[in-house]
Amino acid sequence: GIQVEQSPPDLILQEGANSTLRCNFSDSVNNLQWFHQNPWGQLINLFYIPSGTKQNGRLSATTVATERYSLLYISSSQTTDSGVYFCAVDSGGSNYKLTFGKGTLLTVNP
Amino acid sequence: NAGVTQTPKFRILKIGQSMTLQCTQDMNHNYMYWYRQDPGMGLKLIYYSVGAGITDKGEVPNGYNVSRSTTEDFPLRLELAAPSQTSVYFCASRILHTIYFGEGSWLTVV
Repeated sequence: GIQVEQSPPDLILQEGANSTLRCNFSDSVNNLQWFHQNPWGQLINLFYIPSGTKQNGRLSATTVATERYSLLYISSSQTTDSGVYFCAVDSGGSNYKLTFGKGTLLTVNP
Repeated sequence: NAGVTQTPKFRILKIGQSMTLQCTQDMNHNYMYWYRQDPGMGLKLIYYSVGAGITDKGEVPNGYNVSRSTTEDFPLRLELAAPSQTSVYFCASRILHTIYFGEGSWLTVV
């Protein structure tokens, strides 16, 4: 099956810093999503981005499908950005059988 | 509108016991999913359903069963619990590209 690799595995920032998280995938995809899991375990959709660039406030994401990678940018980080960021992909049809990466654990210190 | 509701939130099972994790959504979504998350790992798909009466296996279905008699409910059954099933379980439903996760069920098998 498709492989998803995320880097870095861990990242520690001071509040206000910027960061870039990377997701590499091993095959062409129809669906790529970024999720945030907060320290209490809650999972939230951030972006649906199989290609192109999207922005939502301080977060933006870019997927270069032809080169099989996606980047998540976090600008002016806040302590509430802490948690695990997951990339998930689906190379199949419409059933959204997502394959998740292992995530990047982000810690933002005040 | 409660979203996706999972019960119980925490449970300790003895080896060989059986139990059902309940999942209900009130958004009338056809697509529903069960994932498990082991420490330091991403989510792995156990089973999914594309509508009432239709279920299919995901990546890690062994030791689990599901049913989908109504659009709202998608229970996950663990038969003969094993220590390898100690994990956090997430139920989710989907509409278009947005996935809604429940808050998770922490299960320990001892």
